[in-house]
Amino acid sequence: QSVLTQPPSVSGTPGQSVTIPCSGSNSNIGSNYVYWYQHVPGTAPKLLIYRHTERPSGVPDRFSGSRSGTSASLTISGLRSEDEADYYCAARDAAVRGPVFGGGTKLTVL
Amino acid sequence: DVHLVESGGGLVKPGGSLRLSCAGSNFTFSTYSMNWVRQAPGKGLEWVSSINTRSNYIFYADSVKGRFTISRDNAKQSLFLQLNSLRVEDTAVYYCARVIQGGDFLFDLWGRGTLVIVSS
Repeated sequence: QSVLTQPPSVSGTPGQSVTIPCSGSNSNIGSNYVYWYQHVPGTAPKLLIYRHTERPSGVPDRFSGSRSGTSASLTISGLRSEDEADYYCAARDAAVRGPVFGGGTKLTVL
Repeated sequence: DVHLVESGGGLVKPGGSLRLSCAGSNFTFSTYSMNWVRQAPGKGLEWVSSINTRSNYIFYADSVKGRFTISRDNAKQSLFLQLNSLRVEDTAVYYCARVIQGGDFLFDLWGRGTLVIVSS
């Protein structure tokens, strides 16, 4: 069971927006930066969002992140078929020496 | 293009050992802390171990402590993970990941992973 909680799946149609929530606690999301990763099985996970809201160069502005209290969310606007992937939230946790992850959310573009 | 490439995975019996390697390219490997993260079949990501640039700060997840050993060779731009006393539950894809600069302890670059299967 993952420390951070995400829904197992979300879906949307091309052009729509979807939001993936991530719930944690004061020891992780509530006191540390949240990161989001996109993972297509068989490939390297890709950093999408760092420090709650920042995008690395090359990541489209269709991807945005936010954090409020002990929860965070990733919003993908203008859905495209190539957005189909697994999405993971992550954060440091005061209770462990390494980061903790959500269980992952599979995005299906219908 | 910067990248990380893992190798060394395979099929091993319970109680056996493996040594995983991760080669970094096109960046100054010695200036980044590095980690191993794994993903068991059908499961989410699990942090395994971390090592700082000079190998004097090393940490492990409780699930692997005493069985796995992380190391690095900056001259060879390489990261290693020695897996001993392997258990069925260690079956996973093992990823190496580079820690983002700035003290967040999260990752900005990952490899594609290497599969470890522990089975009799």
